[in-house]
Amino acid sequence: GEDVEQSLFLSVREGDSSVINCTYTDSSSTYLYWYKQEPGAGLQLLTYIFSNMDMKQDQRLTVLLNKKDKHLSLRIADTQTGDSAIYFCAETRPGSARQLTFGSGTQLTVLP
Amino acid sequence: KAGVTQTPRYLIKTRGQQVTLSCSPISGHRSVSWYQQTPGQGLQFLFEYFSETQRNKGNFPGRFSGRQFSNSRSEMNVSTLELGDSALYLCASSLDSANTEAFFGQGTRLTVV
Repeated sequence: GEDVEQSLFLSVREGDSSVINCTYTDSSSTYLYWYKQEPGAGLQLLTYIFSNMDMKQDQRLTVLLNKKDKHLSLRIADTQTGDSAIYFCAETRPGSARQLTFGSGTQLTVLP
Repeated sequence: KAGVTQTPRYLIKTRGQQVTLSCSPISGHRSVSWYQQTPGQGLQFLFEYFSETQRNKGNFPGRFSGRQFSNSRSEMNVSTLELGDSALYLCASSLDSANTEAFFGQGTRLTVV
């Protein structure tokens, strides 16, 4: 199977919380990342977590990591229409700190 | 502080031609990585350069090559273009080869006709 998997679509109402999920297969993953891509743009680094951490919070963003299940999630609190974008999770492995392996991306649509 | 600059933003080439894309990293950053983004294959790692040396290479044919200059600017070259090379090519800049944060440019949209 794919190294990093994500569901393709997620729709939420403005003001609600969004939770985007990601699973990965390699238990040696060192860092796990969340990137955001808006139409016609490059990738914006949102946040990242080291593999020995369980949680990281940064303003409206909360990252949860379940290393046993190899499951990563990104929670966006108080989701706004400007959060509509494609969200990619990615991992790096020991010895290749700059080689990111990306998931297929989750299209988040925020409905008014 | 300027971000990662990729030129050109858009490019149209004919099959069989070659193309060179440019990436200027964030000032002070010495690591540059390249990625290809297509609807079918998603985001795939091409290669990484640090201090003018290729450190890591993805699973792409030899038609894809790159280099890095002493000022950390990088170029990637694709020879004998194929229709399947049409993609968004993204460059990522990092402080060094071990740094955790990679910052991406806007990309170069290459269309091969």
